[in-house]
Amino acid sequence: AQKITQTQPGMFVQEKEAVTLDCTYDTSDQSYGLFWYKQPSSGEMIFLIYQGSYDEQNATEGRYSLNFQKARKSANLVISASQLGDSAMYFCAMREGLNQAGTALIFGKGTTLSVSS
Amino acid sequence: KAGVTQTPRYLIKTRGQQVTLSCSPISGHRSVSWYQQTPGQGLQFLFEYFSETQRNKGNFPGRFSGRQFSNSRSEMNVSTLELGDSALYLCASSPGLVGETQYFGPGTRLLVL
Repeated sequence: AQKITQTQPGMFVQEKEAVTLDCTYDTSDQSYGLFWYKQPSSGEMIFLIYQGSYDEQNATEGRYSLNFQKARKSANLVISASQLGDSAMYFCAMREGLNQAGTALIFGKGTTLSVSS
Repeated sequence: KAGVTQTPRYLIKTRGQQVTLSCSPISGHRSVSWYQQTPGQGLQFLFEYFSETQRNKGNFPGRFSGRQFSNSRSEMNVSTLELGDSALYLCASSPGLVGETQYFGPGTRLLVL
């Protein structure tokens, strides 16, 4: 079974609109972290936002917020006021065993976001 | 602070050859992880090094190996290249403590002909 599921292969949005990218995860660990990365066509993975499993508040970083629903095992990324530069592939990732060092990131398949003017 | 750097950025090799990729982490970071990204398999974890020791390993054949030097720079080596090794190889660095964020470099695009 997939540990990270991103069901939207592609999303289209107009500038200044908000967009939600879906991510569901599967783990039996109590201590885990959820991450979102952006990958432009250049290839570099850019860290956007992090949510720990014990964090009660949803994480926010500028225009990015993470809608964390622990019981539903979902960690959706919300981008407010989309910009043309937001066009990229977006990956949801999880680290299990957050109290251990050296654990790997497990990535979803990604969602391609296209922002038009 | 300078980010993660990877060299070379692009590489073309033929089947059967071997290749070495290099990664310099963010200054002060002691952990380096390597990931392979292909259209078919997505992003997969290769291995993680901390203080010159491999601390974690993904499910890849022994042709894939790595090492880390005392200055935290890391290299990964792929021997006897196969067509399926064509991929973007991404390296990520972190301080090396529990649960922190990994920061990625620009990647090395390897094409095996």
